[in-house]
Amino acid sequence: AQSVSQHNHHVILSEAASLELGCNYSYGGTVNLFWYVQYPGQHLQLLLKYFSGDPLVKGIKGFEAEFIKSKFSFNLRKPSVQWSDTAEYFCAVRNDYKLSFGAGTTVTVRA
Amino acid sequence: EAGVVQSPRYKIIEKKQPVAFWCNPISGHNTLYWYRQNLGQGPELLIRYENEEAVDDSQLPKDRFSAERLKGVDSTLKIQPAELGDSAVYLCASSSGISGRTDTQYFGPGTRLTVL
Repeated sequence: AQSVSQHNHHVILSEAASLELGCNYSYGGTVNLFWYVQYPGQHLQLLLKYFSGDPLVKGIKGFEAEFIKSKFSFNLRKPSVQWSDTAEYFCAVRNDYKLSFGAGTTVTVRA
Repeated sequence: EAGVVQSPRYKIIEKKQPVAFWCNPISGHNTLYWYRQNLGQGPELLIRYENEEAVDDSQLPKDRFSAERLKGVDSTLKIQPAELGDSAVYLCASSSGISGRTDTQYFGPGTRLTVL
């Protein structure tokens, strides 16, 4: 069975700092990769996705992620965070129709 | 465009009581999913529908959980009887079903269930 690992449970940083959240998965076949975000009191929203092509994908709100196939990784990055980026971030991997989520990383941005 | 709608948003019940959750997917989305999200974890799939057919219910605890999507639009997830361990957020998601493996799932706000 495939699994998704997010390395950090809780990240605290100051505004304008750079953010990188790690995500690794165990499945070796063809996968689709996603990052979802859940802002306080809101539902899960799609941040970005990778299906094929350029392994560096850009999403909303200045986020980007890089797919490194050899490392089974799909790390999320943002060069300069804002207070409004405080949220929980979930990495998800889809094999066939099954979407598997990591446990999530809570990001707290201090003003 | 309206998103995925779920109700109720919160539900508190005593153990052994029944409970039901309702979901209305995005208009035109043929595929509907129910997930359960335990505290501190990511969502886990319970069941997936293609129109009115449950095509993957392998993770649904069938002794107490049931689901239906009679007309291929909205869906109901039921627990009877509820147990303390069922306390979680129950999420509904939908996708168009057109793109197959490149479908994107859109999530509703969830129902937070507390079993006392």
